[in-house]
Amino acid sequence: DAGITQSPRHKVTETGTPVTLRCHQTENHRYMYWYRQDPGHGLRLIHYSYGVKDTDKGEVSDGYSVSRSKTEDFLLTLESATSSQTSVYFCATEEGLGRNTEAFFGQGTRLTVV
Amino acid sequence: TQLLEQSPQFLSIQEGENLTVYCNSSSVFSSLQWYRQEPGEGPVLLVTVVTGGEVKKLKRLTFQFGDARKDSSLHITAAQPGDTGLYLCAGARSGAGSYQLTFGKGTKLSVIP
Repeated sequence: DAGITQSPRHKVTETGTPVTLRCHQTENHRYMYWYRQDPGHGLRLIHYSYGVKDTDKGEVSDGYSVSRSKTEDFLLTLESATSSQTSVYFCATEEGLGRNTEAFFGQGTRLTVV
Repeated sequence: TQLLEQSPQFLSIQEGENLTVYCNSSSVFSSLQWYRQEPGEGPVLLVTVVTGGEVKKLKRLTFQFGDARKDSSLHITAAQPGDTGLYLCAGARSGAGSYQLTFGKGTKLSVIP
């Protein structure tokens, strides 16, 4: 199993507060992703990174920012949390070296914004 | 724009029945993968298909990649309650010397004992 650790696993926060979720990998994979998963919407890509300090937006990036200062860490920040950002957030990594590339997922962070 | 369309979105069947889940796109992929996600966990890879027309079997699960490498199907024979979960397809496309995955939104399968 790829070593992907998400922290925290659960968080309750108040509307308007900033929140940072952390993803840590031990596999030295090039790509890292943040998804949110909501009933009826499946996995939706928020942001992704293709290298240190190289990031790009996904389909639901508004209200979120990311940073990747080291290969192993990818941070997702909700600048001012809103109730619509209540969701389960998954981090994934991918080595991206060949057609058989595989995505490895963390166990998810359940975020509740009240 | 959704690159990968999965159907059906929800499927509820009785134990012992057969089912097929589809993953369709207008784009060509270098490979296509199927993942299964159980409640409270992240998705886990089941299989990767690489060649157009390829068929792979994993016990009661049969995966097929379309000839044009734009679509795929997952067929489950004699479904069991343990097959319950969210099934996701993901397509790999190459660019700038590496491969990147795009996920479909998933099919939620419930197998009733």
